[in-house]
Amino acid sequence: SQQGEEDPQALSIQEGENATMNCSYKTSINNLQWYRQNSGRGLVHLILIRSNEREKHSGRLRVTLDTSKKSSSLLITASRAADTASYFCATNYGGATNKLIFGTGTLLAVQP
Amino acid sequence: DTEVTQTPKHLVMGMTNKKSLKCEQHMGHRAMYWYKQKAKKPPELMFVYSYEKLSINESVPSRFSPECPNSSLLNLHLHALQPEDSALYLCASSAIQVINTEAFFGQGTRLTVV
Repeated sequence: SQQGEEDPQALSIQEGENATMNCSYKTSINNLQWYRQNSGRGLVHLILIRSNEREKHSGRLRVTLDTSKKSSSLLITASRAADTASYFCATNYGGATNKLIFGTGTLLAVQP
Repeated sequence: DTEVTQTPKHLVMGMTNKKSLKCEQHMGHRAMYWYKQKAKKPPELMFVYSYEKLSINESVPSRFSPECPNSSLLNLHLHALQPEDSALYLCASSAIQVINTEAFFGQGTRLTVV
């Protein structure tokens, strides 16, 4: 299976704390993307980092990518109760299409 | 309009029924996807359409039959499903020939096979 692994599987923190999720993958990639899913509904794209980038920021999100270790991390700073959701990394290594292979996911619970 | 619309939101069907899931987008995306997601698991890719032609079939059983009648619509025809096919079915679309681009997902159809 080409599926990536994420850890931790579940994370519970207090509002205002930072949350860090890690993703490891198996093959060379074009890019790595992070998605959020609320209550088993649709996925929302958060951020995309290209294979030649090492770090990227978007608002309270910071993503790093280490292609030598085939790993990425997502940091959410100053978390809010509304950040409670499942977070998935997804690797893109296909050709012209955006064939995404999702990691196992991290369930984040932010306590108010 | 950055929305992918899936209908119906919920579907209950018997093992002998035939039903269809529908997906629509108006972003001009020429790549469209079907994913299947079981509870507490990540989405798993089923099919990819590129320029309305099936380009990837991830060894999906023939009881699932995709169709892309035009560049805005994607259907998934269901026939003789099994209870283990109960899952959330997600449609997505993305720009084609643009590698570093995001995918847009619909809200999914929650399918229950009885």
